[in-house]
Amino acid sequence: AQSVTQPDIHITVSEGASLELRCNYSYGATPYLFWYVQSPGQGLQLLLKYFSGDTLVQGIKGFEAEFKRSQSSFNLRKPSVHWSDAAEYFCAVGPELYNNDMRFGAGTRLTVKP
Amino acid sequence: DAMVIQNPRYQVTQFGKPVTLSCSQTLNHNVMYWYQQKSSQAPKLLFHYYDKDFNNEADTPDNFQSRRPNTSFCFLDIRSPGLGDAAMYLCATSGGSQRDTQYFGPGTRLTVL
Repeated sequence: AQSVTQPDIHITVSEGASLELRCNYSYGATPYLFWYVQSPGQGLQLLLKYFSGDTLVQGIKGFEAEFKRSQSSFNLRKPSVHWSDAAEYFCAVGPELYNNDMRFGAGTRLTVKP
Repeated sequence: DAMVIQNPRYQVTQFGKPVTLSCSQTLNHNVMYWYQQKSSQAPKLLFHYYDKDFNNEADTPDNFQSRRPNTSFCFLDIRSPGLGDAAMYLCATSGGSQRDTQYFGPGTRLTVL
């Protein structure tokens, strides 16, 4: 069964600094990979997704993620963090079709220092 | 804008008093999902509808039921809420040309007194 590990529960970065959030997955076939962001008290917003093709994926809000099959990773990056990026970030993996079996990681909470 | 809408955003109920949460969508997606998310945890899938076909997760308690009267609406019924059911409940949809991606509503925060 597929699973997702987000090793960092909480990360603090200074505004303007670069960011990398780690995600490792376990899946037998080619995974469908997602990053979602959740602001306090809100639902999940899709940042980006990877299904196939170019392993560097661009998303909204200046985020990007790189799929590395050899490392079973799908890390999320942003070159310069803004205070509004403070939120909870979830990595998720799912099979094909309508993804009824999508699995989320435990999440990484991002704090941005002024 | 096409979207997933959840009402109410905040719901307070009493221990044991039935409660219904509502989700509607304008995306015309054929799949709708209900997740439970407790504080500082990942969302946990309770069940989903593929069109009218109901699919329950094996570990979803019987206390949780769902109805989907049409494509646009889906309801989550909690028959006898316990203190442990206090959580954020998230509705999501997928389908059409974006069937591989789930789109989430803003959630309903349920408090049980």
